Order: sequence, then structure tokens, then C-alpha cells
Amino acid sequence: DTGVSQDPRHKITKRGQNVTFRCDPISEHNRLYWYRQTLGQGPEFLTYFQNEAQLEKSRLLSDRFSAERPKGSFSTLEIQRTEQGDSAMYLCASSLGGGRRRNEQFFGPGTRLTVL
Amino acid sequence: AQTVTQSQPEMSVQEAETVTLSCTYDTSESDYYLFWYKQPPSRQMILVIRQEAYKQQNATENRFSVNFQKAAKSFSLKISDSQLGDAAMYFCASWEDAGNMLTFGGGTRLMVKP
Repeated sequence: DTGVSQDPRHKITKRGQNVTFRCDPISEHNRLYWYRQTLGQGPEFLTYFQNEAQLEKSRLLSDRFSAERPKGSFSTLEIQRTEQGDSAMYLCASSLGGGRRRNEQFFGPGTRLTVL
Repeated sequence: AQTVTQSQPEMSVQEAETVTLSCTYDTSESDYYLFWYKQPPSRQMILVIRQEAYKQQNATENRFSVNFQKAAKSFSLKISDSQLGDAAMYFCASWEDAGNMLTFGGGTRLMVKP
């Protein structure tokens, strides 16, 4: 299967700890997105990469959050000094880089973060 | 900035019947795209249907179709012959090239009764 994969699927951590999530996009997709989804809400955009360049960042992405995509393939999202308000599902999506279908995003299964 | 509103937190439909989910949006762009995504319980989000704003014809995908009213900024999803597997959260979303992101509504939970 060549869909978007995310690891881990679930993460429980204590307040103040650092966590890192990984996303592997569909191999031919050069755009990669991170979203956050809280319970009962729609996903909210966090950040977006075109290849290895981080081109957009939401104001939701505080300085405790950092995302990388070092070789334009997989991406990591790190949250430092986690807070209970960080508890959410973190979704990754990927899409083609050009053409009229560049906005068709394919989502991974998400990483559910619980901060105790 | 884009906004997407789904005014129905929950809907229910009898199996084999038809249901319509509502969505309204706001955008200042002339070129944009609209989507409906389905998120089954504990499963990943999948694209149901896509509409390009410059196209007047409503998109259809098998049992799924949309009613795109550009002037009213309305984009509803019709599911015909509902099946138990259609039970899920449905999210309406919009895309503008200027933002390079999807903006989602709050979702509608669809329940299908056997």
C-alpha cells in the first residue's frame, strides 16, 4: 500500500515532555501538510512543505512546535514542553506539486496525542 | 480568509434513503475548489467529491453528488441510496491558491439506520 502513513498512531505523554511524530507521504507527492484536529472539530491547518521547504505556517504553530522535511520525503513534527491543550489528533496529508489537482490532499490515519 | 460553515452537527437517514448535508462558505477569490471529505470512526479521512468553482456543472461520484450554488456560496452533498458504510463524519472544505491550505467546516455526523 502506498498511502500516507504516520507513526506512532497513539502517543500518551506527561505534561512538559517532548514528543515527535513522523509522516511518510505518498512517494510521488512533493507537497506535505500537517493539520490538528480536536475532538468533534474539523482539522485546522498547521504548516505545509513543498519538497524540503516549509512555505506556510499557521499562527497555531507556536514556538514550541517545529516541523521538518529534511530531504523532501518524510516529515517530522515535534512538540516541546507539551501542554494539556496540545491533546489532539495530528493529521498529515500529501498532494501532487502542480496541476489543477494539486489541492487534492490524501490523508494519513493520524497520530492521537494525549497529554496527561 | 476563507470560512466554511456546516450548520448540521448531526443527521440521520434510513438505509436506502437519500440525505443532503449542508455547507456554506465564504471566499474573496474567484478561483477556488470545494471538497467533501468522509472520516469514518477511527479511520482516516478520504476524499468523497471535488468541485472546481469555475465549473457550473455539479460534480457527481456514483451515489454522491453536490449542489453547487456559487452566488449563494452554498455547497451541499447529496447521498443517494444510503448504506450502513456511509455512517461517518463528513467535512466540507475549501481551497484557495493564495492560502495553499484546506479550510474545513466543523463537520456533520451522519448516522444510517438499518
